[in-house]
This record gives sequence, structure tokens and C-alpha cells, in this order.
Amino acid sequence: DAGITQSPRHKVTETGTPVTLRCHQTENHRYMYWYRQDPGHGLRLIHYSYGVKDTDKGEVSDGYSVSRSKTEDFLLTLESATSSQTSVYFCAISEFGDPLDNSPLHFGNGTRLTVT
Amino acid sequence: TQLLEQSPQFLSIQEGENLTVYCNSSSVFSSLQWYRQEPGEGPVLLVTVVTGGEVKKLKRLTFQFGDARKDSSLHITAAQPGDTGLYLCAGFWNSGGSNYKLTFGKGTLLTVNP
Repeated sequence: DAGITQSPRHKVTETGTPVTLRCHQTENHRYMYWYRQDPGHGLRLIHYSYGVKDTDKGEVSDGYSVSRSKTEDFLLTLESATSSQTSVYFCAISEFGDPLDNSPLHFGNGTRLTVT
Repeated sequence: TQLLEQSPQFLSIQEGENLTVYCNSSSVFSSLQWYRQEPGEGPVLLVTVVTGGEVKKLKRLTFQFGDARKDSSLHITAAQPGDTGLYLCAGFWNSGGSNYKLTFGKGTLLTVNP
């Protein structure tokens, strides 16, 4: 298994509080991604990073920010959590970002976040 | 964003049966990947198909990429309980210039009963 650790694995928080999820990799891969998975919607990309301090938005980035100060760590922050952000969050890494290299995504085991 | 439609959404079969799940789009994809996800875990890559008409086999699983690179199928022969899981297709598409994005389908939840 790819060395990806997500923390925490479970979290319950209240509406309006900030929340930070952490993804740590030991593979030294350049690309890191944050997805959320919801019933009826599948996996949707929130933000991604293509290098230290290089990040970009995905399709559902509103209400989220990210930071990558080191190759191995990619943080996802919910500025002010809302109930609509209750979801399972997955971090993924890939060695290359070019699909012509057929670079697979390696996923962590997810963080289940509940916003009450 | 390009859309990938997976069907069926749910599938429950008996051990030993054959099945096919589909991943369809009206858009062309550069390549397409299939992942399997088990409860409480992240998706794990099964295969990548790149060339239109390509067929790849992984033990009892057969993957096919459509000639026009707009659709794909996954066929499982003699399904076993260990095949139970959520099967996701994901396609790479050109979003402009040299930029590519990956879109996931919503998945097919397969249950194989002993």
C-alpha cells in the first residue's frame, strides 16, 4: 500500500467551527489531491497540489482552503464548517499529473467528518 | 466538467454468476481507469485503459474501452464474495491546452452473496 496517512479518521464538529484535516505521504509524490465522497455524487475534487506551495481549485472548492508547505503534507481546512460539508474526505497522491503517463491515484483511507 | 454515467447503480448477485457494469459518456476521454473501493477504505486502482477498443484482463475481470473512447465496461466472470465492493470508473479529459482533469463516475455497488 502507498504510504498515505489521513488524520483524524473520524471527527464530529459543530457548525461554524474551523476544521483542519491532514494528509501525510511517505512516497515523495509531487501531486496530492483532496476529494469528498457523498452518496449520489461520487468522488468530487476539492483542491489539488502540484508541488510545494502550488495548489489549485477543483470542482467543489467553495468553503475549503488548502496548504502544502512540505512535499509530504497536504492540509485541508474548512474555514467555518457547515452541515453540507458532512462527508467522507479522501486524500490521494500520484507520481505524475499527466494522464498520458497513466499515473494512478493512490488513496488514503479517508476521514469521516460530521458537522452538527 | 465531463460526465461519466455508471450503470447499474446497485447490483446484487449470487456467487458464480457473471456480471457486467458500464461506464458511459458523450465525451471522449484520453484514458479511463477502474477502481474498487471496500467499506472504510479508499479506492484502489484495478486497471487503466488507453487505446480505443483496448481489452485488458485481470484474472476473472475483463475491462474494455470503447472504440470511440467514450465508454467502458467491466465484466466479472464467476463472481465471488470477495468481489463485493464499489466499482468506480474515472476518465481523464483535456480541459484545455496541456491540462487534463480526472472525473469519477458515481460507482456501482456490487454485492456477491455466498
